[in-house]
Parts: sequence; structure tokens; C-alpha cells
Amino acid sequence: DIQMTQSPASLSASLEEIVTITCKASQGIDDYLSWYQQKPGKSPQLLIYDATSLADGVPSRFSGSRSGTQYSLKISRPQVDDSGIYYCLQSYSTPPTFGAGTKLELK
Amino acid sequence: QVTLKESGPGILQPSQTLSLTCSFSGFSLSTYGMCVGWIRQSSGKGLEWLANIWWNDDKYYNPSLKNRLTISKDTSNNQAFLKITNMDTADTATYYCARRTGSSLDYWGQGVMVTVSS
Repeated sequence: DIQMTQSPASLSASLEEIVTITCKASQGIDDYLSWYQQKPGKSPQLLIYDATSLADGVPSRFSGSRSGTQYSLKISRPQVDDSGIYYCLQSYSTPPTFGAGTKLELK
Repeated sequence: QVTLKESGPGILQPSQTLSLTCSFSGFSLSTYGMCVGWIRQSSGKGLEWLANIWWNDDKYYNPSLKNRLTISKDTSNNQAFLKITNMDTADTATYYCARRTGSSLDYWGQGVMVTVSS
């Protein structure tokens, strides 16, 4: 199975910061990588697909990038509503695997 | 508008079989390229992909549970199903169905919480 090592596990950020969350794949995944936001008691919601494409209706402050086998989700000038848990998902090979999640708190 | 909604028993005893239904609207599982997946989330193991079924009835099962899973669909009624046999307390989780588009899961149901307890 491909392992997705997600970091950090949690972070607290201010509204003026740029927030970056990373997922490192244990092998190449050809940009079959998506990012999700989950709020308490809710299902995950798609933010980014194919590593860099913004999902419909997602604010442009969210962006995705790749460097080698490390994928990043960046939130520029986050809003309070961006608090939640963020997950990455690789679907390049089976079984598809998720990162362990990053809990983001905005202060 | 795409929506999905899971339904299931809520609670069951160890060794019983879990039967879940995903009722969806806004797309058809008979349309080329469409796919519905089942994912579960537990506090102990995070998010885990269980199975998915494609428009052409191809199926995928996570090898870690393969012998216990059966996925199926009813395209006429816009439903997908998942059965898990021999349930254990470790299978206690929230179970989601989601539409797979390309490499991502673009729409998710609200989830159904399943507790396995004697």
C-alpha cells in the first residue's frame, strides 16, 4: 500500500498567515492526489483534485502544489471558517489511502 | 444537484452482517465513468477506503477486508449497497458513500454511524 505521511498533525494559525499542510507519498502517485476539509459532525468536502485543480465553489485562497512526491495544500489569508481537519487522498494505486489528517485551528 | 445519503441499522451485534444502502440523486450509475465508493471513519484508524463499484459493474475491494465485503448497485433505483460480514467491535465507525469522479471523491453522503456491541 502507498503510505501518505501527512504533517503537521495539528497547527494553530492567525488570519494573516499562509497555512501549508503537506502529504508525502511513499512512492510516485502521478498527481492522483486530492484534498478534503472536514468539519465536526460533517462529511469531508473536496477542495483540490488532481493535485492542483480547485473544486467547484472552493475559494481561491486554497491551492495545491507538488514537489517530487510531496504534495502541499496552501491556504492564503485563511478565514475563521477554514478551521477543521484536512485530509489528503491518493488514488493512484489500490487501495486508495488517506493521510492521517491535520487539525487546523485559526485564532 | 448531486446528493447521496447512507442508511443502515445503527447498531448490531458481533458476528452479524452489516447491510448499508446509499441512495443518490443527480447522477446515474449507468452513465459511463460513474463510480460510487464506500469509506469509513473510525477514531482508531482514520479514513479507510472499503470498496467501489463502477458504471460497468466492475468492483474493487480493499484487500484488508476483501473476504468480508460485497458491493452491488441498483441503477434503476439509484442505489448502491455494501454488505460486511462477521462484524466486530473494531468495525464500529461512521460509514460514508461518495461519488468518485476521476481521482477524487467529489460528493459525499452525510454518513451513518454504525456501532457493533453485544
